[in-house]
Amino acid sequence: DAGVIQSPRHEVTEMGQEVTLRCKPISGHDYLFWYRQTMMRGLELLIYFNNNVPIDDSGMPEDRFSAKMPNASFSTLKIQPSEPRDSAVYFCASSLGVWTEAFFGQGTRLTVV
Amino acid sequence: AQSVTQPDIHITVSEGASLELRCNYSYGATPYLFWYVQSPGQGLQLLLKYFSGDTLVQGIKGFEAEFKRSQSSFNLRKPSVHWSDAAEYFCAVGAQGQNFVFGPGTRLSVLP
Repeated sequence: DAGVIQSPRHEVTEMGQEVTLRCKPISGHDYLFWYRQTMMRGLELLIYFNNNVPIDDSGMPEDRFSAKMPNASFSTLKIQPSEPRDSAVYFCASSLGVWTEAFFGQGTRLTVV
Repeated sequence: AQSVTQPDIHITVSEGASLELRCNYSYGATPYLFWYVQSPGQGLQLLLKYFSGDTLVQGIKGFEAEFKRSQSSFNLRKPSVHWSDAAEYFCAVGAQGQNFVFGPGTRLSVLP
């Protein structure tokens, strides 16, 4: 397996634009996690899915953020409208169980100008 | 509320020296404990984890960690550091019914 694949690796967008981050988890993994990493706040869990169903979205900062998992092999994190304070590295991770090893993608570095 | 602290923001050691990275947690339930490593520009990789049993856990790349319930600690150790160990290290804690939380990270620099 190629591991968790995220796209794009880098995204630069203007404030107010819609941004969509994509993730392909490892095949067979039932859990998918979205994290945000910033210097100020470190790693924050935004939302996680089990079998494509959102389980806990309490970490999603605002209504401008939404995440979907239409099938077992694809998830998106959308920000609409984007703001400069959304600039961060966004990681997707997947795992077999909620407490088993999480495999991380390489992240998407988002810059909102 | 649950929390994870890593008291050292940045540590510098010489290659070949021993290493200990500290992690303390505050959790109401029996915790699940993890150490992850992040190399520059990369995602995180699991080094080791503790769920139960032997409190000394062996991981990959020669790392080990010891769970001390009385001290609410899960410190990471390595007897001899290699230059390739330079990275950011994250302690993470979870528990049944509680969110998974990462510590702020410790950046390790290795001198030749």
